[in-house]
Amino acid sequence: DAKTTQPNSMESNEEEPVHLPCNHSTISGTDYIHWYRQLPSQGPEYVIHGLTSNVNNRMASLAIAEDRKSSTLILHRATLRDAAVYYCILRDFSGAGSYQLTFGKGTKLSVIP
Amino acid sequence: DGGITQSPKYLFRKEGQNVTLSCEQNLNHDAMYWYRQDPGQGLRLIYYSQIVNDFQKGDIAEGYSVSREKKESFPLTVTSAQKNPTAFYLCASSIEGHQPQHFGDGTRLSIL
Repeated sequence: DAKTTQPNSMESNEEEPVHLPCNHSTISGTDYIHWYRQLPSQGPEYVIHGLTSNVNNRMASLAIAEDRKSSTLILHRATLRDAAVYYCILRDFSGAGSYQLTFGKGTKLSVIP
Repeated sequence: DGGITQSPKYLFRKEGQNVTLSCEQNLNHDAMYWYRQDPGQGLRLIYYSQIVNDFQKGDIAEGYSVSREKKESFPLTVTSAQKNPTAFYLCASSIEGHQPQHFGDGTRLSIL
């Protein structure tokens, strides 16, 4: 499976935008880029996913590089409730392994009041 | 409200005991999953089920068993063969295997 690389931790001030990077240089043509986040002592929560084009939803935006070797999750105005571990995950839809989410260690986002 | 319910929230197991973790969903999802999370680590897949009466092993199935007799329910049994069962166990479901997964709030299992 293609792997992702994320910074271990990031900090942001409250009400400022946050850009969380993810590198996936070995991404294949059938890999979707998914983002989940996990608050302390809770299960992960789906945030957003995309293939080639930038995507927006009520929680965040996903910017995907033209060569698809990297992507950035954008939180437009960080709140204290956004403090969590953010996981960037590649999901291959071409084979049987697509049912599995392979979680790395993610990026721990701290939001400073 | 629809969602996934895991119970209990905390569970303690004695050496040599089997314990069963409950996972129920009312989202009408076909696919269900069990993951294990160790401190400071990502999630690892134990078992998954795409439809009723069918399930597949994940990366770390040894020492665990599951059943899928009803669409809504996917219980996980941690057997005595699992030598290091202390972990945070998460259940998830999705409309089908390719769709985003919805997670419960987890069960924290500890050894007495």
